[in-house]
Amino acid sequence: EIVLTQSIPSLTVSAGERVTISCKSNQNLLWSGNQRYCLVWHQWKPGQTPTPLITWTSDRYSGVPDRFIGSGSVTDFTLTISSVQAEDVAVYFCQQHLHIPYTFGGGTKLEIK
Amino acid sequence: EVKLDETGGGLVQPGRPMKLSCVASGFTFSDYWMNWVRQSPEKGLEWVAQIRNKPYNYETYYSDSVKGRFTISRDDSKSSVYLQMNNLRAEDMGIYYCTRSSYGDYWGQGTTLTVSS
Repeated sequence: EIVLTQSIPSLTVSAGERVTISCKSNQNLLWSGNQRYCLVWHQWKPGQTPTPLITWTSDRYSGVPDRFIGSGSVTDFTLTISSVQAEDVAVYFCQQHLHIPYTFGGGTKLEIK
Repeated sequence: EVKLDETGGGLVQPGRPMKLSCVASGFTFSDYWMNWVRQSPEKGLEWVAQIRNKPYNYETYYSDSVKGRFTISRDDSKSSVYLQMNNLRAEDMGIYYCTRSSYGDYWGQGTTLTVSS
């Protein structure tokens, strides 16, 4: 089973700050079918359902603001919010869809000072 | 608008069965693989089961923790996916979400399962 580790469970930052959230895998997430990494970032706002922000490591999902940037490769992946806004308060979690069982990171809760 | 509506959760005794349902709307259900994912304080988010669509022969997959006890099924004519859960255990407790596609592009609001005597 692929294990995803988000080492920071929570972050409190000021609006306008740059935030980096890490997700580490214990296996390479490269899919040979398209040579891309099967890593998704989800945003889970209070009272809402999770929604995908980034797919295939770095593709912004439709409608996602460009302040959300996904990067990484092999086993190390990062979600960067270039300038945090108040509406970004949420839990951010990564998910791999390379191998069943699909697995999730433990999540990073982002709060604003 | 894509919607996934789960129903069927509640309180059940250990060892008893329960069936969850998820009705989808706003998209062509038959085009998508569907999953059940659960959340608990102890384990966080845990993928439970997947059913693929007709081009993939409706293949099903399960996590090791539920294999042999849970069965996922779908009825494309009703845009619905189901999870039949047998021999329920305390560790099956949690919120069960229906999700679309392998990377979970849509989630339902969830239905809560409590297993207790």
